[in-house]
Amino acid sequence: EVQLVESGGGLVQPGGSLRLSCAVSGFTFSRNWMSWVRQAPGKGLEWVANIKQDGGETYYVDSVKGRFTISRDNAKNSLFLQMYSLRAEDTAVYYCATLAARQTYDYWGQGTLVTVSS
Amino acid sequence: QSVLTQPPSVSAAPGQKVTISCSGSSSNIGKNYVSWYQQFPGTAPKLLIYDNVKRPSGIPDRFSASKSGTSATLGITGLQTGDEADYYCGTWDSSLSAGVFGGGTKLTVL
Repeated sequence: EVQLVESGGGLVQPGGSLRLSCAVSGFTFSRNWMSWVRQAPGKGLEWVANIKQDGGETYYVDSVKGRFTISRDNAKNSLFLQMYSLRAEDTAVYYCATLAARQTYDYWGQGTLVTVSS
Repeated sequence: QSVLTQPPSVSAAPGQKVTISCSGSSSNIGKNYVSWYQQFPGTAPKLLIYDNVKRPSGIPDRFSASKSGTSATLGITGLQTGDEADYYCGTWDSSLSAGVFGGGTKLTVL
């Protein structure tokens, strides 16, 4: 069974930083592109970032470029999102997801809530 | 403002059929495959349709989808109260080099 479990969310002040983790099991992690997708309270889905199997290729939504870094540790079956210079508008539930061909998010974690507030 | 445009809400009676549209442009839907997701309140999204028209195993054939030009459509037949959820379309935008979603459509089964 495919499982993705996010952690690391919480309350952080504006300008602060946070590191999200996603532990995966039930599939060969190193063979999959991975993504982070977020959802602000009461709002729709927003793609955040993609990372290739070997970590050698990454893509980001414009609003987080230069502030967020997606990375992975294939030996530990883990995906990460390092977030710096957090803003109120980054408040959201952050989901990690497996990325199949043609930008299909086929498996999702349960999400972790990040709240940016003073 | 989402790159892909969906109606905010649709509704229909149990047993009826409903369609949800997703409008984009030549750089996203016009050039790439579309997927659809179902999300119940407080839960993670779930893949419903991929590669424009394909259903993952376990998704009933009451759910179908199509794509034409720069638009895509999700159809649900034999509506059940358990289908009440938010539905999102998604794809890749080749000009933005970014994943994009529609704003979501809330389905109400009256």
